[in-house]
Amino acid sequence: NAGVTQTPKFQVLKTGQSMTLQCAQDMNHEYMSWYRQDPGMGLRLIHYSVGAGITDQGEVPNGYNVSRSTTEDFPLRLLSAAPSQTSVYFCASSLGGPPLYEQYFGPGTRLTVT
Amino acid sequence: KNEVEQSPQNLTAQEGEFITINCSYSVGISALHWLQQHPGGGIVSLFMLSSGKKKHGRLIATINIQEKHSSLHITASHPRDSAVYICAAPPMDSNYQLIWGAGTKLIIKP
Repeated sequence: NAGVTQTPKFQVLKTGQSMTLQCAQDMNHEYMSWYRQDPGMGLRLIHYSVGAGITDQGEVPNGYNVSRSTTEDFPLRLLSAAPSQTSVYFCASSLGGPPLYEQYFGPGTRLTVT
Repeated sequence: KNEVEQSPQNLTAQEGEFITINCSYSVGISALHWLQQHPGGGIVSLFMLSSGKKKHGRLIATINIQEKHSSLHITASHPRDSAVYICAAPPMDSNYQLIWGAGTKLIIKP
């Protein structure tokens, strides 16, 4: 099993550009989520999904869009990049909601917006 | 307010020392999580516990529900234990989210 994979590992964008961060898992997990990690702060939840076709907003959803057309894939779209979106982004998956299930994390995407 | 606080923020110790990292939370919990973030950035789950104590190798996690406090201990610490250790707990009103601590950066010197 590959676990949770993310692409790209690094990305530089100019303000106003759009892009999609890819996330895939091969563990048949129902729950998937996107976090951003900024220096000195805990992980912050952007969006999550409890199954194919179902998504919901987390703590910091503005400027981001998600969809879940399959169990395996959960892409994160930046609609119009801003310098405030410079961060490290992690995708995670678990069998069920993270309060009760172990989460598996992807390797992260380091995004810089200039 | 839902909060998870860790202490210390930074910890430097010599190889072989006994390490303790603390996590206090104000949320009611079903389970508290401890995770490790390697210097390369990868995050792995270490423990999930709702009562008592769990042990895995040289790592021990304890929780006191009444005091809303959890500790992560490392015995016979080694430079490869150098990492950021993160605790997280769910808020009362969500089955799908966690409140995350800011992490404790641990450096073990040889």
